[in-house]
Amino acid sequence: GQQVMQIPQYQHVQEGEDFTTYCNSSTTLSNIQWYKQRPGGHPVFLIQLVKSGEVKKQKRLTFQFGEAKKNSSLHITATQTTDVGTYFCDPRGNYQLIWGAGTKLIIKP
Amino acid sequence: KAGVTQTPRYLIKTRGQQVTLSCSPISGHRSVSWYQQTPGQGLQFLFEYFSETQRNKGNFPGRFSGRQFSNSRSEMNVSTLELGDSALYLCASSSVVGQGAQETQYFGPGTRLLVL
Repeated sequence: GQQVMQIPQYQHVQEGEDFTTYCNSSTTLSNIQWYKQRPGGHPVFLIQLVKSGEVKKQKRLTFQFGEAKKNSSLHITATQTTDVGTYFCDPRGNYQLIWGAGTKLIIKP
Repeated sequence: KAGVTQTPRYLIKTRGQQVTLSCSPISGHRSVSWYQQTPGQGLQFLFEYFSETQRNKGNFPGRFSGRQFSNSRSEMNVSTLELGDSALYLCASSSVVGQGAQETQYFGPGTRLLVL
């Protein structure tokens, strides 16, 4: 199946630095959902974006949906240790798409 | 409400065997989806059931099958296991069927399958 590309695969940051992950699809998405998976845990829903160009914020997290509804981003400002985990985008609307490996956020000691 | 439950949590099988995994969705949820998660391949959609009918299917061979019961509980079966089937199998429930649905999925803890 066609895979939604998420980049980067890993991002190492110092606590307090910002973090961004991008989700790119070659096909138009009806909507997109973001999930976070803590180490050893299961994915937990963060947010859903539906409209073209939509921007949503949750405290230090900012989510954007591209104008063409083919890409999305998640930005975390001033990362904290509680942000550690893997962030996945779920390309809703096309079940032949694979979620992808996500972006793993690692806080440098 | 109780969350999504999956049994067993861990399983070890050998090549050629078959396995059945179980998922109980959140009470009131009628849609159950199954995913395979491997370190290198990420989350891959297997199939989705709604009201006992398979509504959507991912790109997996016929060895992977599932079903849903009238109480919305779902089972997934993998026959003739291969080494590459070793993975975390996640089940997610939502109150509506997918394909563009604006509904959150709630994941269970998963069943970790190891094929030797």
